[in-house]
Amino acid sequence: EPEVTQTPSHQVTQMGQEVILRCVPISNHLYFYWYRQILGQKVEFLVSFYNNEISEKSEIFDDQFSVERPDGSNFTLKIRSTKLEDSAMYFCASTSSGTTNSPLHFGNGTRLTVT
Amino acid sequence: SQQGEEDPQALSIQEGENATMNCSYKTSINNLQWYRQNSGRGLVHLILIRSNEREKHSGRLRVTLDTSKKSSSLLITASRAADTASYFCATGWNNRLAFGKGNQVVVIP
Repeated sequence: EPEVTQTPSHQVTQMGQEVILRCVPISNHLYFYWYRQILGQKVEFLVSFYNNEISEKSEIFDDQFSVERPDGSNFTLKIRSTKLEDSAMYFCASTSSGTTNSPLHFGNGTRLTVT
Repeated sequence: SQQGEEDPQALSIQEGENATMNCSYKTSINNLQWYRQNSGRGLVHLILIRSNEREKHSGRLRVTLDTSKKSSSLLITASRAADTASYFCATGWNNRLAFGKGNQVVVIP
């Protein structure tokens, strides 16, 4: 069964550094998402992406965050200048027809640790 | 904002028993979905119920939706040790899915 894959599985970075989290969504999916989960807390929506542009973003997704689909397969999340509070699990997800009609398929996440 | 909110329960049950967890939300929805998360892993979709549906079954899972009360329940029947996980409800509206905090379920063999 097709899977969403995320790399790396664990990223350690120093405060103020830039990080890029990478995702390969399921190949025929059109909608892409980033979520994050701080340890023991809620799964929080960050951003959705469709047709090469952001369709929705949360208040968490400020100017320090950006997303890109640089080619036909990868979907990346960039944090420009990491803060301690960015430490979390970051999950990528994709779906074929948006959240109105279809479930999200999640990757296994990247654990980001900011020191 | 759209948010599913589970009753903040940690359930510990014996294998073979049923597990029920509840979720409430605040505003309009297109659908409500339940996901499972095993420790350290991504979320796995279990079941989707649309706003015009009241009940849905999938294997040992039964989901109900009451839009007048803005609530949903997930029932896992005849639980197994492999059902040990966190369970999240999520509400879909426009192009985002909003998750609740999750219920930790432990099934004791």
